[in-house]
Amino acid sequence: SQKIEQNSEALNIQEGKTATLTCNYTNYSPAYLQWYRQDPGRGPVFLLLIRENEKEKRKERLKVTFDTTLKQSLFHITASQPADSATYLCALDMSPSSNTGKLIFGQGTTLQVKP
Amino acid sequence: ETGVTQSPTHLIKTRGQQVTLRCSSQSGHNTVSWYQQALGQGPQFIFQYYREEENGRGNFPPRFSGLQFPNYSSELNVNALELDDSALYLCASTFRTSGRNEQFFGPGTRLTVL
Repeated sequence: SQKIEQNSEALNIQEGKTATLTCNYTNYSPAYLQWYRQDPGRGPVFLLLIRENEKEKRKERLKVTFDTTLKQSLFHITASQPADSATYLCALDMSPSSNTGKLIFGQGTTLQVKP
Repeated sequence: ETGVTQSPTHLIKTRGQQVTLRCSSQSGHNTVSWYQQALGQGPQFIFQYYREEENGRGNFPPRFSGLQFPNYSSELNVNALELDDSALYLCASTFRTSGRNEQFFGPGTRLTVL
């Protein structure tokens, strides 16, 4: 079955630096991969989706890459701010080829940006 | 805000009891999924409802059951509560076939089983 591993449980960086979070999956390459942000005591909030035929996607200070050969997605936050401190989750669909909306999540990486 | 609400926010129950958690989806969202999130873990898929029918279940026993109503609300019921059921329960809604894949999550219900 599909498994997702987010390489770091916690990441501490200085304000202004670029944070890079890693998401690896083990089995089939999904049709798309999503990234969510979760603040303590809150539900996850959708950030970005990248499809299998896209190498890179950007949204403001966020950038996601998707390498189906390495079975890996990288999530970058440039010019990081203390307000970016949160847990970031990657997720992919349980179906390799269709959009079922049933997601498998990684365990999350908690990012702490220090002023 | 995602437009998805859940109630109650917190709940304390004892082993063996039954609990009902509620979710109100965004208007027009025909699909709702429920997830269980243990402390320090990512959410785990419990089941999904599409147009009021169960549409897939994760690795959870039958004592976890659900309902979806025509007014975009839904319920998660858990019978014979166990200590390991203590977790944050999240519902997420979407409009399937819209071509958009993101899920809109509610704030969750924190369930503690003593």
